[in-house]
Amino acid sequence: DVKVTQSSRYLVKRTGEKVFLECVQDMDHENMFWYRQDPGLGLRLIYFSYDVKMKEKGDIPEGYSVSREKKERFSLILESASTNQTSMYLCASSGRIYQRNNEQFFGPGTRLTVL
Amino acid sequence: QKEVEQDPGPLSVPEGAIVSLNCTYSNSAFQYFMWYRQYSRKGPELLMYTYSSGNKEDGRFTAQVDKSSKYISLFIRDSQPSDSATYHCAEGGATNKLIFGTGTLLAVQP
Repeated sequence: DVKVTQSSRYLVKRTGEKVFLECVQDMDHENMFWYRQDPGLGLRLIYFSYDVKMKEKGDIPEGYSVSREKKERFSLILESASTNQTSMYLCASSGRIYQRNNEQFFGPGTRLTVL
Repeated sequence: QKEVEQDPGPLSVPEGAIVSLNCTYSNSAFQYFMWYRQYSRKGPELLMYTYSSGNKEDGRFTAQVDKSSKYISLFIRDSQPSDSATYHCAEGGATNKLIFGTGTLLAVQP
């Protein structure tokens, strides 16, 4: 059974803290993605990575950075958390573009609250 | 204009109703069209995909694509309370990225 796991389901942090969200996939996928999901705004892409140590900005990268040191792991970093980063964060992975029509597999999400 | 526009909902229907969920897109380069279903407190899961105009059926679900109008739909027949979820349309092209609509929250009342 394919699986994408995220380190925490719920997280509460204070303004200004550095926050790490971890994602691990066991499908040997090349591509990994971080989204945030907010009511009425849908899934918005923050960053994605198509290979180890490679990354590209998505639609809303401001205030975030990422790290991909190993193929199976993709980390999202909030350098200095702010209240407007309170959201649901979803990690996803996918194989090469010709595999399964680019299907992305999602983790269960991390609900982050910044106080 | 957003690349993908989706009816915002929420949508509430009685059990057994036919549900129609719709999206429009603006980028002619899109080649793949998908519907993801997301239950409460879970991540989205692929429900259906297609890459050609026309209809694709899977049980009670039918995905319809009209490339000339840049319009995609998901129909659910004989809707059940277990169909209550958020439905996201998604489009992809030659890159690794998918573009998602805003999602429609569907509630099927028993």
